[in-house]
Amino acid sequence: DTAVSQTPKYLVTQMGNDKSIKCEQNLGHDTMYWYKQDSKKFLKIMFSYNNKELIINETVPNRFSPKSPDKAHLNLHINSLELGDSAVYFCASTQGEGGYTFGSGTRLTVV
Amino acid sequence: KNQVEQSPQSLIILEGKNCTLQCNYTVSPFSNLRWYKQDTGRGPVSLTIMTFSENTKSNGRYTATLDADTKQSSLHITASQLSDSASYICVVSSSGGSYIPTFGRGTSLIVHP
Repeated sequence: DTAVSQTPKYLVTQMGNDKSIKCEQNLGHDTMYWYKQDSKKFLKIMFSYNNKELIINETVPNRFSPKSPDKAHLNLHINSLELGDSAVYFCASTQGEGGYTFGSGTRLTVV
Repeated sequence: KNQVEQSPQSLIILEGKNCTLQCNYTVSPFSNLRWYKQDTGRGPVSLTIMTFSENTKSNGRYTATLDADTKQSSLHITASQLSDSASYICVVSSSGGSYIPTFGRGTSLIVHP
């Protein structure tokens, strides 16, 4: 019954590899997000989709490409991974003025 | 520029004690303010939401206050428990302009037995 689920929970990979993180929400929310949480626990918006359409794209390198096949899914693909990409990535969803429902996070470690 | 500042950055208290976390913001025009609790290894979970007209809102042992004039909010935790050990994040939304809420950097709370 998980509201926002993301996989995998942990991801360890070498520099230069390409990886994907998947996110699904069963809340019927219209808007989904990807946030990056750095080592100092600060949550920074990366992307936001509303009904499959990209509405927010913060200053994120082109190596990061989100894809939303439908409003319940928002995946994140990362090309040519770098050491600085190591962080915890959170998927979240909202409906209207409602607050965020976050997933449990994907801890990405690039070695 | 919209900003949310939280203090203290970290706090250690003994079980059973009370504590208060602070949040100052410069987000304008103001829509609402939320406090989130983030347990280690988990995503943040909403504790309270406050709109412009609300001064106080409680959720169990958590009580949030809002002073819209001074643009300050506090989160008071009563009779702390070990399970309160977490990061507490203040998030302020604007009613115009930026669609993105502004996040604070959080206060890390550790409750010791």
